[in-house]
Amino acid sequence: QQQVKQSPQSLIVQKGGIPIINCAYENTAFDYFPWYQQFPGKGPALLIAIRPDVSEKKEGRFTISFNKSAKQFSLHIMDSQPGDSATYFCAASRNNDMRFGAGTRLTVKP
Amino acid sequence: NAGVTQTPKFRILKIGQSMTLQCAQDMNHNYMYWYRQDPGMGLKLIYYSVGAGITDKGEVPNGYNVSRSTTEDFPLRLELAAPSQTSVYFCASSYSDNQPQHFGDGTRLSIL
Repeated sequence: QQQVKQSPQSLIVQKGGIPIINCAYENTAFDYFPWYQQFPGKGPALLIAIRPDVSEKKEGRFTISFNKSAKQFSLHIMDSQPGDSATYFCAASRNNDMRFGAGTRLTVKP
Repeated sequence: NAGVTQTPKFRILKIGQSMTLQCAQDMNHNYMYWYRQDPGMGLKLIYYSVGAGITDKGEVPNGYNVSRSTTEDFPLRLELAAPSQTSVYFCASSYSDNQPQHFGDGTRLSIL
């Protein structure tokens, strides 16, 4: 049973567009929600993370929106660039039990 | 600062062979993790450790073993390789739980 469901599987946007990636989780005990960015041949790298006591967090061009009642959270990338082309993973964690979504392959066209 | 270093980067094993995937971190992190990444499936936690001498099972531990004799090293052992263990394996470390995890670049393992 997949505890974190991520959509879409793939996403293509034009440069300057705002891709949005959505995640939904099952376990209400999760209390840490990170997003990771992964380039081919590399390990995931933390992009931004949120805890359930806030509804939004911004870091540069990246924003997480969090809806605790709906058990959903999403990543928005403002003014997307070709260099943002990568696979993005959401995750939800409690203590050392981190569950990842299946990933979204983002392509930003010039 | 090397961060998290994994060796080897690639390996091909025959069914039934054994091997150890190495992981070392130089950030003095207490917590270390092993994940496997299969296509379209995200990452799944195999084992983790909260400090030297302490290990615990994750979501998919069957067929694997770990040890943590030092803060820096966290090797993952496959005793009897099976085709289902073909995957990309990532090691990660963090200062504590629910803190950013720093990943290595992975070991791509094929079992034929």
